[in-house]
Amino acid sequence: QKEVEQNSGPLSVPEGAIASLNCTYSDRGSQSFFWYRQYSGKSPELIMFIYSNGDKEDGRFTAQLNKASQYVSLLIRDSQPSDSATYLCAVKLGNYGQNFVFGPGTRLSVLP
Amino acid sequence: DAGVIQSPRHEVTEMGQEVTLRCKPISGHNSLFWYRQTMMRGLELLIYFNNNVPIDDSGMPEDRFSAKMPNASFSTLKIQPSEPRDSAVYFCASSRPSGKGEKLFFGSGTQLSVL
Repeated sequence: QKEVEQNSGPLSVPEGAIASLNCTYSDRGSQSFFWYRQYSGKSPELIMFIYSNGDKEDGRFTAQLNKASQYVSLLIRDSQPSDSATYLCAVKLGNYGQNFVFGPGTRLSVLP
Repeated sequence: DAGVIQSPRHEVTEMGQEVTLRCKPISGHNSLFWYRQTMMRGLELLIYFNNNVPIDDSGMPEDRFSAKMPNASFSTLKIQPSEPRDSAVYFCASSRPSGKGEKLFFGSGTQLSVL
């Protein structure tokens, strides 16, 4: 069973819409949760992290964490074509030192 | 501040040859990670170091792979002998351990093609 799961997509949304990306994880002891954006041919770039239940907002991005449901999401408001990328969910496992596990990523396409 | 620096950016080699990938972490970061990314398997952790000491190498696929970190500012990942199935993008990442707040920062990666 995969430890971090995401829908591979592609997820297509029109420009200006809200994009919703979801992630589930299996390790209940996980401490921290991250969203990375990866453009084609580039390296992953950290855009959000969260470790408390609830919402965390940063500009157009909102991360949501529900530890009881083992669920993390990323909302992108007012989506722009420049947001088109693969979004990787990453989890820092609770009892495994510094083991960061990545999901397979969701490809987002924002249509002009 | 300079980010994580990897070299080479691209490496094309023939099966059976030795390949060495290099990484310089961000200054002040004392944890270093090697990841491999493929379409089929996504981003997989190969090994990570803390204060130059290998902590978890359970992701290293087999004995053909080895990694070293001789000092705080340099690490290598070596594949000997290389095989076509090793073709992938290899990323190095570094972090400053800080509990829940720890974050990974990635280098630009090395695109490895083994023919």
